[in-house]
Amino acid sequence: EVQLVQSGAGVNKPGESLTISCRTSGYTFTSYWIGWVRQMPGKGLEWMGIIYPYNSKTKYSPSFEGQVTISADQYTNTAYLRWSSLRASDTSFYYCARQASSSPWDYFDYWGQGILVTVS
Amino acid sequence: DILMTQSPSSLSASVGDRVTITCRSSQDITYKLAWLQQRPGKAPKSLIYAASYLQSGAPSRFSGAGSGTEFTLTIHSLQPEDFVTYYCQQYNTYPYTFGQGTKLEIK
Repeated sequence: EVQLVQSGAGVNKPGESLTISCRTSGYTFTSYWIGWVRQMPGKGLEWMGIIYPYNSKTKYSPSFEGQVTISADQYTNTAYLRWSSLRASDTSFYYCARQASSSPWDYFDYWGQGILVTVS
Repeated sequence: DILMTQSPSSLSASVGDRVTITCRSSQDITYKLAWLQQRPGKAPKSLIYAASYLQSGAPSRFSGAGSGTEFTLTIHSLQPEDFVTYYCQQYNTYPYTFGQGTKLEIK
């Protein structure tokens, strides 16, 4: 069974660094792109970017490039989303999601449960 | 970025009704369109991919159609658990983009 389990939720201060995690299981981690989606409270979904764990190739939305870093660890089957300096505007729900194949052009078929990052 | 526009933004219907949500893209995205369902406080869930293919495990009352720039999601015979929010997403061109969502409400 494919599972994506997120961790790292909490309250953080502006200017702090933060990394949230998406631990995967039930499939070959290096064979599928995995990405991150933001949802501000009460708002819609925003695609942030994706990574191919096999070679750590990334694609970012221009809206998020330079603001966050997406990475992946093949040995722990975990994807990460990192901020070097949080802003209040980063307060949001964040979801990780797996793309349905090794193609970089595919839909998200499995989603993590989501976590709330609060910056205050 | 490709703009995805859903209509309507909200829709009132009754259990047993058939409803259709439309998603239009600002550029041709061929068939690379997915529909997702999101319950309050929960992660989105895949319903339809490649415009018309039902995701494994999704109920057969959901169907998708369209190509190019115009797409539809139809729910045949609404069930009580279907009154939630639906999003379309294009995955043809980076950055991938979502529609603004359609909230389905009980009449």
